[in-house]
Amino acid sequence: QKEVEQNSGPLSVPEGAIASLNCTYSDRGSQSFFWYRQYSGKSPELIMFIYSNGDKEDGRFTAQLNKASQYVSLLIRDSQPSDSATYLCAVNLISGGYNKLIFGAGTRLAVHP
Amino acid sequence: ETGVTQTPRHLVMGMTNKKSLKCEQHLGHNAMYWYKQSAKKPLELMFVYSLEERVENNSVPSRFSPECPNSSHLFLHLHTLQPEDSALYLCASSQDREGAVAGELFFGEGSRLTVL
Repeated sequence: QKEVEQNSGPLSVPEGAIASLNCTYSDRGSQSFFWYRQYSGKSPELIMFIYSNGDKEDGRFTAQLNKASQYVSLLIRDSQPSDSATYLCAVNLISGGYNKLIFGAGTRLAVHP
Repeated sequence: ETGVTQTPRHLVMGMTNKKSLKCEQHLGHNAMYWYKQSAKKPLELMFVYSLEERVENNSVPSRFSPECPNSSHLFLHLHTLQPEDSALYLCASSQDREGAVAGELFFGEGSRLTVL
């Protein structure tokens, strides 16, 4: 069983629309949750993190966490072509005092003008 | 520029070669990581070093050998690799102490490895 699952996409949305990216995880011991963005040919960069159930907003991005359902999502409002990238969901299994980030395979987002 | 530098950026090697990947972080972090990224697969955690001590060895074959001589440098020594080891190898660092975002990794640009 995959530890972190994401739909590989591509998810295609028009410019200005809301993009909704979803992720499920299997380990109930996961303590914190992350969304990384990876442009083609580049390394991943952190865009959002969330620790508690509910919503967390940062600019055009909203992360949503439901621990009971083991579900994390990322909403991107007013999508721009520059948002076109692969979005990686990651969960932190803090173990033995160090961070152990487990990643999903990513969802490719394409925002078209 | 993330403050994590990897060299070389591209490496082609035969199955009998021995080579090394190098990672250097200029962020004063206390943990460093090696991840493997293959096409359409999740990033695979290979090794974790916390305070220069290896704390995670995620069932990685012995043909990959990590070395962390100090908190700023991390190496991945490669020998007798297989073609299926061809991938992007990403180094990352993090600050594992109070006040830092637990789990925020800063990645290097990666070393693209091709094994012939």
